[in-house]
Amino acid sequence: GAVVSQHPSWVICKSGTSVKIECRSLDFQATTMFWYRQFPKQSLMLMATSNEGSKATYEQGVEKDKFLINHASLTLSTLTVTSAHPEDSSFYICSAGLSAGYGYTFGSGTRLTVV
Amino acid sequence: EDQVTQSPEALRLQEGESSSLNCSYTVSGLRGLFWYRQDPGKGPEFLFTLYSAGEEKEKERLKATLTKKESFLHITAPKPEDSATYLCAGGFQAGTALIFGKGTTLSVSS
Repeated sequence: GAVVSQHPSWVICKSGTSVKIECRSLDFQATTMFWYRQFPKQSLMLMATSNEGSKATYEQGVEKDKFLINHASLTLSTLTVTSAHPEDSSFYICSAGLSAGYGYTFGSGTRLTVV
Repeated sequence: EDQVTQSPEALRLQEGESSSLNCSYTVSGLRGLFWYRQDPGKGPEFLFTLYSAGEEKEKERLKATLTKKESFLHITAPKPEDSATYLCAGGFQAGTALIFGKGTTLSVSS
């Protein structure tokens, strides 16, 4: 149980275009979704926290106009990288806090390459 | 500043050579200490959550322990398929994000 499905698993886009990454909770309601970014051989860095139906809270240094997060339902959260540039190339991972008990489940990640 | 620090950064073992990974934390208000396994290009896979000093949990060749200041992930007689990055994270109240250490990359050769 408690599965988060993340799509796409990888995407290549041209500089200046926008890319949307989706995370769906398949068998539970994700009240809170966390979005992380991971550079090669680095740990997960929290980008933002989103609660269903409200605006996301971004970590210091994360551009909220570039990384648009939507959490309109309890089963879907999206991250849109707008006007992507090569420096946005990274591994993006979503994580949901479990609605029952205490724990977190992670998506499988999205490898974004901007060319 | 709250921190979660893992050591060593990388560890190379021969198959069957047991060892331990360390995770020390200075975070306040810790509710749970999490261990995850991450394979290249994949999201973290949950291993254990520890809640109080003295607690131990086991899963196959892995055993996690917790003290007031640190946690250990003991790997007994590792196999090549145990090769991965092991992440430690501090958890707080529900609804807040985990704070991750930088991870230990384990390589087990046959």
